[in-house]
Amino acid sequence: SQTIHQWPATLVQPVGSPLSLECTVEGTSNPNLYWYRQAAGRGLQLLFYSVGIGQISSEVPQNLSASRPQDRQFILSSKKLLLSDSGFYLCAWSVGGGEFFGPGTRLTVL
Amino acid sequence: GIQVEQSPPDLILQEGANSTLRCNFSDSVNNLQWFHQNPWGQLINLFYIPSGTKQNGRLSATTVATERYSLLYISSSQTTDSGVYFCAVAYMGDMRFGAGTRLTVKP
Repeated sequence: SQTIHQWPATLVQPVGSPLSLECTVEGTSNPNLYWYRQAAGRGLQLLFYSVGIGQISSEVPQNLSASRPQDRQFILSSKKLLLSDSGFYLCAWSVGGGEFFGPGTRLTVL
Repeated sequence: GIQVEQSPPDLILQEGANSTLRCNFSDSVNNLQWFHQNPWGQLINLFYIPSGTKQNGRLSATTVATERYSLLYISSSQTTDSGVYFCAVAYMGDMRFGAGTRLTVKP
């Protein structure tokens, strides 16, 4: 069966520091991968999606970037965090119908 | 882009009651899903239902694609049903979430 991992589960970072969140998927090949952010406990915003290695589409201009170095690995990064980057970050995968989410990373930028 | 509206925004039920959550969307879609986000933030995929009706235990969902809405039914609600329910629609890979319905089931 397929599983999706995200780490870390929680993260507290100072403004201006770099960020790297990792997501890996097991049990499937060539999935579509997604990064979402959820602020204020409601409403998910799609940040990036990827249909294959090295293929990244960005939904909104922002302080973040994404990379897909391997088929089942998706990384969310920032060179310098802003206060507004705080939120709950969710990685998801899909193959055919349906998206399935990881456990999320709760990021607090101070 | 596609607009997604969910109603009601908040719902409080007594345990054992039934409820209906609604999702309206503004354009044709080829993917519609319902999710439940538990109090710990975990998003659980409930239904993948671009059209028709599906049932899973006490939950069922109906999507009428031609009229651009979907309904999620919860029967005999339990306190563990509490959380936020999201509808998400997609067309050609562009997925959009509604703002959610926050459900509180009281014992």
